[in-house]
Amino acid sequence: QVQLVESGGGVVQPGTSLRLSCAASGFSFSTYDMHWVRQAPGKGLEWVAVVSNDGSDKYYSDSVRGRSTISRDNSKNTLSLQMNSLRVEDTAVYYCAKGSPGLDVWGQGTTVTVSS
Amino acid sequence: SYELTQPPSVSVSPGQTATITCSGDKLGDKYVCWYQQKPGQSPVQVIYQDTKRPSGIPARFSGSNSGNTATLTISGTQAMDEADYYCQARDSSNVVFGGGTKLTVL
Repeated sequence: QVQLVESGGGVVQPGTSLRLSCAASGFSFSTYDMHWVRQAPGKGLEWVAVVSNDGSDKYYSDSVRGRSTISRDNSKNTLSLQMNSLRVEDTAVYYCAKGSPGLDVWGQGTTVTVSS
Repeated sequence: SYELTQPPSVSVSPGQTATITCSGDKLGDKYVCWYQQKPGQSPVQVIYQDTKRPSGIPARFSGSNSGNTATLTISGTQAMDEADYYCQARDSSNVVFGGGTKLTVL
């Protein structure tokens, strides 16, 4: 079945870096755009970034642009999000999601806590 | 930046029809998706491309989009439908979510 499994979350200090990963299975990974979406505790969904199916196009929300890099490895069916200069306000559950149409499959999420 | 506005909360009695709105400038010119999220769970897409239901989503869920407003309608609302609902659209290459609506089934 179609499945997305995130990993890499944890508790980190402000200013540090973290790399999130998402392992995809059950579908043709290289066919679809892939997204990262986050949700701060008790808050709504916030889109973070998208990468096109072949990795050539990448777009970011204003809140992470310049601090984060989305990437994918179609040979390994994996999606990544490198997050640098982390801030307290980056604390959230981070979901990867399969795109087109809309975000039709979501992972279970990985929790990132930024705290001193 | 583009914004989508949803009411924070909507209440409905079991068996009645729940209506959740999502407003944005010329939203009718964009495709809208809707997601359901229950406490402690990941979001689930319930409507895509304004009106289409993914496989496995009950027929009581329907959507529409015209002008500046998209609407999610749940007919014959059940207790299991109590959840947060989010609308979503694309603005250029970006994805935009509404703030979410908490649906309470009283």
